[in-house]
Amino acid sequence: DAGVTQSPTHLIKTRGQQVTLRCSPKSGHDTVSWYQQALGQGPQFIFQYYEEEERQRGNFPDRFSGHQFPNYSSELNVNALLLGDSALYLCASSLAANTIYFGEGSWLTVV
Amino acid sequence: AQRVTQPEKLLSVFKGAPVELKCNYSYSGSPELFWYVQYSRQRLQLLLRHISRESIKGFTADLNKGETSFHLKKPFAQEEDSAMYYCALRMNSGYSTLTFGKGTMLLVSP
Repeated sequence: DAGVTQSPTHLIKTRGQQVTLRCSPKSGHDTVSWYQQALGQGPQFIFQYYEEEERQRGNFPDRFSGHQFPNYSSELNVNALLLGDSALYLCASSLAANTIYFGEGSWLTVV
Repeated sequence: AQRVTQPEKLLSVFKGAPVELKCNYSYSGSPELFWYVQYSRQRLQLLLRHISRESIKGFTADLNKGETSFHLKKPFAQEEDSAMYYCALRMNSGYSTLTFGKGTMLLVSP
């Protein structure tokens, strides 16, 4: 089992552009959450997907959107990128409310 | 709203010394508390959770509801314990979302 896998690992975007990050959950997991980790901060919850629906959302603007596919994989989309969106984006998966596993993250740099 | 506070950004100790990483939380309900660890160049991984009451790699943590704390302790630090440690809270809502503290970097010197 490869665990939670994310792609790409690193990317650089320009202000105003759009980005899509991808996540494959751990085998057997049906719930995917996304977190943003800015430098020097703990991870902050963006949103959670379950059964292809956004089930819960943190305090992030509508520029942040997501999707979950029937195979439970997920995408995080960020539109109109700002310099402040530069961060490590973490995907986490779980089966219901059991142990949460994290991916290695996608480093996004906005210039 | 729930909140997790880790007052120390950095904790530096010598090998063999006791370690205590502090974590305080605020939440009106009955939370589930976790410690996650991130070693250099590795993913965030679960170290321990309060409901399991187990010791992992010599670390223990006890939930003190009166003081709303969940401090992480180890009697004798090892160099390989050097890492970033995050305390996290999960609300008793059935959703598997975590609220993290800002983290404490533990540096264990030889």
